[in-house]
Amino acid sequence: NAGVTQTPKFRILKIGQSMTLQCTQDMNHNYMYWYRQDPGMGLKLIYYSVGAGITDKGEVPNGYNVSRSTTEDFPLRLELAAPSQTSVYFCASSNPTETQYFGPGTRLLVL
Amino acid sequence: DQQVKQNSPSLSVQEGRISILNCDYTNSMFDYFLWYKKYPAEGPTFLISISSIKDKNEDGRFTVFLNKSAKHLSLHIVPSQPGDSAVYFCAAWEGQGAQKLVFGQGTRLTINP
Repeated sequence: NAGVTQTPKFRILKIGQSMTLQCTQDMNHNYMYWYRQDPGMGLKLIYYSVGAGITDKGEVPNGYNVSRSTTEDFPLRLELAAPSQTSVYFCASSNPTETQYFGPGTRLLVL
Repeated sequence: DQQVKQNSPSLSVQEGRISILNCDYTNSMFDYFLWYKKYPAEGPTFLISISSIKDKNEDGRFTVFLNKSAKHLSLHIVPSQPGDSAVYFCAAWEGQGAQKLVFGQGTRLTINP
C-alpha cells in the first residue's frame, strides 16, 4: 500500500515551458487535491476533485489545469510556466470528511 | 477570509517541557478537526483528530482539546522531544458533504535541547 505517490520529485522549468505533475493514490479515495506551498507560507488549494470526471477550482487555480479520468490519478498541468509558479506542490486524497493523506511533494523551480 | 487561524507563526520550547499549539476558527459549522505535522522536504502527515462531539482526544504524548464555545482548539505535546520540531497545521471539515479541508497557516515548533 503506497498511499499517495507523486512524480517527479524535483523539476527545473524554463519560463514558458509546460509540464504535468503526476499524482496517484491506491486507497480508493473519492476526493483528491492539489496544493502549493510557497516558502514560509501555508498550503494553498489549487484544484480538487470529488470523483472521476469532476473537478473544481480552489483558491489559486490560474495557470493550472487538472483532469480526473480515473479514481486513482489526478494530474496537474502547468501551461506556460512562470517564475510565480516556483513552489512545492502536494497532492492529497481522502474520503469525505476523513483524514486527508498527502504525497511527498514535487519541488518546482521556474527560471 | 481566514476561517482557521494559527496566530503564532513560531514557538520555541525546551526539550522535556510542554508544547502548546493553538488554533482558532470562525465557522461554527466545522465539526471535525485535524492536526498535521510537516517536516522540511516532506508532505504533511496526519497527527491527531477530534470530533466536535468530544472535547479531548489523546494519543500518546499528543492531546488535542476542543472548546466549541470559544471556537478554539489546542494541541499539547508532553514531553516535547527534538523530533517534534516541525511545522504544525490545524485543519477543519465543514460538516457532512464538505468537499474541502480548511487549513490554518501553520506554526513552526522548535524544540531546544
